[in-house]
Amino acid sequence: EIVLTQSPGTLSLSPGERATLSCRASQSVSSSYLAWYQKKPGQAPRLLIYGASSRATGIPDRFSGSGSGTDFTLTISRLEPEDFAVYYCQQYAGSPYTFGQGIKLEIK
Amino acid sequence: QVQLQESGPGLVKPSGTLSLTCAVSGGSISSSNWWIWVRQPPGKGLEWIGEIYHSGSTNYNPSLKSRVTISVDKSKNQFSLNLSSVTAADTAVYYCARRWNYWGQGTLVTVSS
Repeated sequence: EIVLTQSPGTLSLSPGERATLSCRASQSVSSSYLAWYQKKPGQAPRLLIYGASSRATGIPDRFSGSGSGTDFTLTISRLEPEDFAVYYCQQYAGSPYTFGQGIKLEIK
Repeated sequence: QVQLQESGPGLVKPSGTLSLTCAVSGGSISSSNWWIWVRQPPGKGLEWIGEIYHSGSTNYNPSLKSRVTISVDKSKNQFSLNLSSVTAADTAVYYCARRWNYWGQGTLVTVSS
């Protein structure tokens, strides 16, 4: 099973700032089958990024993903008020598909 | 636009079976996609439970495999989750989804006597 470790646990930033979220895998994630989700209370997970760097339909271009192998990053270039949420990375390269423990992005 | 809607009992007794259905609209369950179940216990992260293809092929999380059954009903354009021998640790919001971009709103299932 591939374990995903996200850091930091909590990120406190202000609107307009840049956010950098990290996800490290316990083994290489082949073909960059790595996704990022945004999760707000009472809402379903929202797919942001798939294939490590491809934005899902309708996702603003302030969200970008990068990385390969075992190290991946989600960057939000300029935070909007609606971006404060919990973010999860997920690997779907091999079963069982696993999620990281989440990063809480909170308003400073 | 594909839409998914979970339904089922919100309360299940310990040792009983949790049964949920996911109705798919705006698209065919027979399309070339995997249909998945994911859960989130209160205050915790996301856990993939398993998935099914319209042909009936399934993949399950090994941690739940002995208790999980996912099935598809093409005539009703829906798929279902059965989780047996439940305990309080199975209390969670259960989501159905089409891998990985369309999700239901989720349904809270509480295991309690």
